[in-house]
Amino acid sequence: GDSVTQMEGPVTLSEEAFLTINCTYTATGYPSLFWYVQYPGEGLQLLLKATKADDKGSNKGFEATYRKETTSFHLEKGSVQVSDSAVYFCALNTGNQFYFGTGTSLTVIP
Amino acid sequence: NAGVTQTPKFRILKIGQSMTLQCTQDMNHNYMYWYRQDPGMGLKLIYYSVGAGITDKGEVPNGYNVSRSTTEDFPLRLELAAPSQTSVYFCASSSPGGPTGEKLFFGSGTQLSVL
Repeated sequence: GDSVTQMEGPVTLSEEAFLTINCTYTATGYPSLFWYVQYPGEGLQLLLKATKADDKGSNKGFEATYRKETTSFHLEKGSVQVSDSAVYFCALNTGNQFYFGTGTSLTVIP
Repeated sequence: NAGVTQTPKFRILKIGQSMTLQCTQDMNHNYMYWYRQDPGMGLKLIYYSVGAGITDKGEVPNGYNVSRSTTEDFPLRLELAAPSQTSVYFCASSSPGGPTGEKLFFGSGTQLSVL
């Protein structure tokens, strides 16, 4: 069945460090891919998305490229800030249902 | 700009008790979802609805029931609470055919403990 596998956490980085969170997927058909972010005590919010192969989603300095050949959608940011501390979820949508990864907790220290 | 509103925010139940988690959205979204979030397990879909009067099971529906009598409301019912239902519950909505497309809008969650 459809599924998402993402990098285990937690991840701790110093401010201004480079961030990569890996995400790979299994899906029939051509899913849309998403990264959602969850700040403490809140619901998930859409961070970025890509709807077809080779699309790049970007928002707030974060980027992810839809790689069909490697079935991946890795999240990157060149210079993280303390305010980026949150849990990040990779997800795919194949129509009626979304499938989420297990989440990766990121803590950025000053 | 209320978006998706869930109540209550916190609840403690005894084993065997029943309760309803309320969810309402004011964006006229046709799709609504209930997820549970367990530590280290990500989000699991419980039930979803593609419109008023239509509901369908997700990945983990056992022990839960839903109804969708209006576009706005999608309550989740726990009939006989069990410790395995201790979790954080999120309601979400989307409008695939509308301007926001596939984007999911989430409520702020309900923390439920069954003791």
